[in-house]
Amino acid sequence: GAVVSQHPSWVICKSGTSVKIECRSLDFQATTMFWYRQFPKQSLMLMATSNEGSKATYEQGVEKDKFLINHASLTLSTLTVTSAHPEDSSFYICSASLGEDPTDTQYFGPGTRLTVL
Amino acid sequence: KNEVEQSPQNLTAQEGEFITINCSYSVGISALHWLQQHPGGGIVSLFMLSSGKKKHGRLIATINIQEKHSSLHITASHPRDSAVYICAATNFGNEKLTFGTGTRLTIIP
Repeated sequence: GAVVSQHPSWVICKSGTSVKIECRSLDFQATTMFWYRQFPKQSLMLMATSNEGSKATYEQGVEKDKFLINHASLTLSTLTVTSAHPEDSSFYICSASLGEDPTDTQYFGPGTRLTVL
Repeated sequence: KNEVEQSPQNLTAQEGEFITINCSYSVGISALHWLQQHPGGGIVSLFMLSSGKKKHGRLIATINIQEKHSSLHITASHPRDSAVYICAATNFGNEKLTFGTGTRLTIIP
C-alpha cells in the first residue's frame, strides 16, 4: 500500500530557532499533501493544503509566514516552523493524496513531535 | 457544536467483546473515513466509505447517508486494538477533512 514518511519523528529545539519537517510519499506520486497539527488530547486540525508546484492554501488562523510550506516535487513536501515558540509545540502530521478527487484516500505520515523549549 | 461528533469519548472493554464506535456529522460529505491512531501518534487509515458497508478482518464500517451517521465495529476485540479511533468527513466539494475528537478504546486482557 501507499506509504508516507516523515522526518524527523521528533525534534526538540530552542525558542527562536526554525525547524523543518519533511513529508515524503515513498511509493506513489502525491498530487496533494496536507499538513495537520494535533495538540494533546485534541483532534487533528488542518493547517494547510499544498499542491506540487503551487503555493499552499492555508486555513484561517494559520500564519503562512510562520509555517512555510514547500511542495517542490510530487513526492516531497516540507513544513518549516520559523522562529518557533513553546506554543508551537505540537504533533505535526502530513498526509498525501493520490489524486485531486475529494474522495481519494489520504495516506498519513507517522507524525513529528515538536517540542520547543 | 462540532461538525463531526463521536461517541463514546472513552471506551473500556474486555477482550473478546464486540465494540461499536459511533460518528455523526452535520456537513455534506463525499466520503467518511475511519482512522486509527496508536499511542505513538501514528495514524492508519482503516476505511473510507461513501455508502453501505465495508469489512476488513475483524473491522466493519457502516454508513447511513440519510441519517448522517457511521459506525465502526470491532468483533472479537483484542488488546492490540487499543488505540484512538477517529472519524473524519471529507467535506463535499473539496478535499478537506473535518475530524471528530476521537474515541479512546482500551481492551483489557
